Amino acid sequence: GENVEQHPSTLSVQEGDSAVIKCTYSDSASNYFPWYKQELGKRPQLIIDIRSNVGEKKDQRIAVTLNKTAKHFSLHITETQPEDSAVYFCAASMNSNYQLIWGAGTKLIIKP
Amino acid sequence: KAGVTQTPRYLIKTRGQQVTLSCSPISGHRSVSWYQQTPGQGLQFLFEYFSETQRNKGNFPGRFSGRQFSNSRSEMNVSTLELGDSALYLCASSLVGTGYGNTEAFFGQGTRLTVV
Repeated sequence: GENVEQHPSTLSVQEGDSAVIKCTYSDSASNYFPWYKQELGKRPQLIIDIRSNVGEKKDQRIAVTLNKTAKHFSLHITETQPEDSAVYFCAASMNSNYQLIWGAGTKLIIKP
Repeated sequence: KAGVTQTPRYLIKTRGQQVTLSCSPISGHRSVSWYQQTPGQGLQFLFEYFSETQRNKGNFPGRFSGRQFSNSRSEMNVSTLELGDSALYLCASSLVGTGYGNTEAFFGQGTRLTVV
């Protein structure tokens, strides 16, 4: 079946450095790619999303890039801060039923 | 506007029992999806309801079922509970479906189910 692979599962970066999380999807017809952030003990919340007709999208310190040919997309966080510590989930829409297929999550640790 | 509300927040049940969880979506949202979250397993999709009909279903056994009412509130039922069903159960509401572009999924706080 369709799936989304997310790497790494855990990422530890120094405060102020950049973090990159990568996802690869299998359904070539996927056209919607959201990223959710889940802080410890809280609900997942959408932080940024991108559609297939766009290659890159930025929102302050976060950005998402999409490579449709290679079927992968990435989340970039610059100038990381302690509040960026969380689990990040990527997802891709399945064109057949418009469900989201989720990655397994990346635990981002920001070291002071 | 009010967010997605899940009740109860915590549940402790015994193996073999059944349980019903409730999810009240954001007003106007017609799609409700349910997920099981366990440590290290991410978000496992259970099913999605749209306008009182189950539109999509994940790979869970038939012990997991759900329904949606005319006011879009949804319930999830797990029968014959097993120890492995212990997890955080999240529901997410959206206008027309989580996979539709520009249709953000709003999650509830979840119900933490412990089976002993």
